[in-house]
Amino acid sequence: LAKTTQPISMDSYEGQEVNITCSHNNIATNDYITWYQQFPSQGPRFIIQGYKTKVTNEVASLFIPADRKSSTLSLPRVSLSDTAVYYCLVGEWGRDDKIIFGKGTRLHILP
Amino acid sequence: DTAVSQTPKYLVTQMGNDKSIKCEQNLGHDTMYWYKQDSKKFLKIMFSYNNKELIINETVPNRFSPKSPDKAHLNLHINSLELGDSAVYFCASSQDSTASGGAVGETQYFGPGTRLLVL
Repeated sequence: LAKTTQPISMDSYEGQEVNITCSHNNIATNDYITWYQQFPSQGPRFIIQGYKTKVTNEVASLFIPADRKSSTLSLPRVSLSDTAVYYCLVGEWGRDDKIIFGKGTRLHILP
Repeated sequence: DTAVSQTPKYLVTQMGNDKSIKCEQNLGHDTMYWYKQDSKKFLKIMFSYNNKELIINETVPNRFSPKSPDKAHLNLHINSLELGDSAVYFCASSQDSTASGGAVGETQYFGPGTRLLVL
């Protein structure tokens, strides 16, 4: 399972666009990149998944460069309720023997 | 050197049966969890448990019950299985609790999952 590196924490303001970058230098050919959001006392919530280029859904966008060694989660116009921990995960549920959620990025949205 | 293991990996059973899924962690962690993953890949926490308290998600039917014979094991028992119970169930562990006000961001180690199919 490819190791990922994310910033420990980020602050932003309501209405801003927030970009969280994750490094995964050892990503394998078959690996997908998945981002999860977690609030206290809850399980991780799936946000978006991609393999290459750009993926967009109703919640976020995911930018993946050609070499796939990093990815950027983009949250448009954040609100206070977006304050959470965001995890970048590289691999595939059900295929890998180990799925490890690291420390994630603690995003704090200010009014 | 498996950190979190689950058995069985696949479980196919009939409606109405009672089944158990076993989970073991060799990391010396204090807290273990059970998650249910739906078709949209949303991980819904079902239980978290350490030697101090059991936190139950109130939306989980009481047909589901966790059993912890010791700190390294948290088994999931399911009675009177229903079609809607079909899903992938993940066990996880962490050093400290991420539930009940614990620090979110603690590293959670997940098992490989158990694919349950109820016919």
